[in-house]
Amino acid sequence: ETGVTQTPRHLVMGMTNKKSLKCEQHLGHNAMYWYKQSAKKPLELMFVYNFKEQTENNSVPSRFSPECPNSSHLFLHLHTLQPEDSALYLCASSHGTGLNSNQPQHFGDGTRLSIL
Amino acid sequence: SQELEQSPQSLIVQEGKNLTINCTSSKTLYGLYWYKQKYGEGLIFLMMLQKGGEEKSHEKITAKLDEKKQQSSLHITASQPSHAGIYLCGADGRSTDSWGKLQFGAGTQVVVTP
Repeated sequence: ETGVTQTPRHLVMGMTNKKSLKCEQHLGHNAMYWYKQSAKKPLELMFVYNFKEQTENNSVPSRFSPECPNSSHLFLHLHTLQPEDSALYLCASSHGTGLNSNQPQHFGDGTRLSIL
Repeated sequence: SQELEQSPQSLIVQEGKNLTINCTSSKTLYGLYWYKQKYGEGLIFLMMLQKGGEEKSHEKITAKLDEKKQQSSLHITASQPSHAGIYLCGADGRSTDSWGKLQFGAGTQVVVTP
């Protein structure tokens, strides 16, 4: 899957650091998503953006701050993270404008984040 | 929220044998998606089922949606090493407050042995 690109692929950071994850989609989609995948847990939806507007914040701690400057780019700004935040962070996009879109989400390869 | 239970959690199958994975929902299924994931990588979209009784096939993979049972199954015929990975089902609630909120099962890890 090359339509959704995530950088970096791997990131190691200390709890006091500030870093950002980047996601870019080349599929012409208008909706973008951040997911967290921890070991032995189901994929957890974090944020949803539709036409650059945030439509969902799934009770995510404020140390995670999303930014969507346009429909093709999505960022996840990280600061003062905790060890339990270590996980695979996946970005996805879809061409959906509501209930009748019925379009699958396409995923990037993720950023493997490790908090020291 | 909708919960999806996948079974089995993992399975080992000999190359050339068939396998079936099930995904059962706690609520009515309106749209069911099947994805495949290799360890540490992103999810690859396989198939989407929208109607009760719908069945789709791609190469050696067939997925069915049983609306009454709130269940979907994924069947692989004559498995190959390339079929190894984690299979996840995802469902959307298809309501005004759940658009874009795909709920996923925990996944089924498939290992294909020679």
